Amino acid sequence: AQSVTQPDIHITVSEGASLELRCNYSYGATPYLFWYVQSPGQGLQLLLKYFSGDTLVQGIKGFEAEFKRSQSSFNLRKPSVHWSDAAEYFCAVGPIIQGAQKLVFGQGTRLTINP
Amino acid sequence: KAGVTQTPRYLIKTRGQQVTLSCSPISGHRSVSWYQQTPGQGLQFLFEYFSETQRNKGNFPGRFSGRQFSNSRSEMNVSTLELGDSALYLCASSVGNTGELFFGEGSRLTVL
Repeated sequence: AQSVTQPDIHITVSEGASLELRCNYSYGATPYLFWYVQSPGQGLQLLLKYFSGDTLVQGIKGFEAEFKRSQSSFNLRKPSVHWSDAAEYFCAVGPIIQGAQKLVFGQGTRLTINP
Repeated sequence: KAGVTQTPRYLIKTRGQQVTLSCSPISGHRSVSWYQQTPGQGLQFLFEYFSETQRNKGNFPGRFSGRQFSNSRSEMNVSTLELGDSALYLCASSVGNTGELFFGEGSRLTVL
């Protein structure tokens, strides 16, 4: 069955430090991969996506992610975090069924920024 | 271009009641999906509509239903509410078949 694992439930980093959020997936075919961010009380905003091609993808707000097929991973990185990056981050894979827009999400990683 | 709009944003119901949530997708998006988000279960897929037809359904009881209108707006309904239905209900619209979803801010339902 398709699944997404985000091993870290909660991460705390200092402002200005680098960040890496881990994501591992299980998917039978070539996946479409996504990272979404959710601020408290808000919906999800797409940070970046991987469909094919270059395995290093750039997103909004200075985030990037690298697709590694051999490791079934799609880790999210940022060189220097800002206090406004504090939020919950979700990795997702899909679409699970051809022709249907269904994503499977990880459980999320909550990011706290220390001043 | 306006984003996905969900109404109401917050609502409180009691057990046994029913609720209807509304979602207006981004203009031009014909697919609307619904997700339930809870602290324990995370984000779970409810169903997806495309051109007024339910294209896929998640593993939720029949109390959860939805529909889509000709203008792509969608509603979901939960009947006979239970305490466990308290959640943030997120609507997302999309264009194409890549799974790239654009989410609304959600409707937070509290069942007392």
